[in-house]
Amino acid sequence: QKEVEQDPGPLSVPEGAIVSLNCTYSNSAFQYFMWYRQYSRKGPELLMYTYSSGNKEDGRFTAQVDKSSKYISLFIRDSQPSDSATYLCALHGSSNTGKLIFGQGTTLQVKP
Amino acid sequence: DTEVTQTPKHLVMGMTNKKSLKCEQHMGHRAMYWYKQKAKKPPELMFVYSYEKLSINESVPSRFSPECPNSSLLNLHLHALQPEDSALYLCASSQERESAYNEQFFGPGTRLTVL
Repeated sequence: QKEVEQDPGPLSVPEGAIVSLNCTYSNSAFQYFMWYRQYSRKGPELLMYTYSSGNKEDGRFTAQVDKSSKYISLFIRDSQPSDSATYLCALHGSSNTGKLIFGQGTTLQVKP
Repeated sequence: DTEVTQTPKHLVMGMTNKKSLKCEQHMGHRAMYWYKQKAKKPPELMFVYSYEKLSINESVPSRFSPECPNSSLLNLHLHALQPEDSALYLCASSQERESAYNEQFFGPGTRLTVL
């Protein structure tokens, strides 16, 4: 079993839809959670960084963490064609190694 | 400014060549990282530097040699690479290596092709 599970998709939605991207994890030692967006042939861009359970909002993006269920989500409201990219969740715990554990990434396509 | 820069953007090299990848950040971050990413896969950690000292080597072959000349610069020296080493090489930095400060910012990457 992988430490982090993420559905690779692809996920295709119409413009304006609400998108839900999810990761599940197995190790309760994970305490810090990140979402990255990666366009084709570019480096990952950090979208959200959260620690506690609950919601964190930034513009059209909301990150949700449920530590009791070991489940994290990224919601995108009013999705745009420019949101078409691969979204990676990344987790790390308290080991202080600096090592991130990545999900496989979900490919999102937003159709005009 | 949350920018990490990498040069070159693209690199094509033969298996006998020696080349170097460069990474620079001016955010005052004390931890820097090298990742390798193959198509449709997540980044794989190669090396971690903390305060200019190598703290993690993820069993990377010796044909990859990292160097941290100062707190802003990170190099990856390449020698006698194999075609399967062709990938996107990403540099990242964070304030510290420790968890609460490990918000990692990535550069645009160097796309390496080994012939």
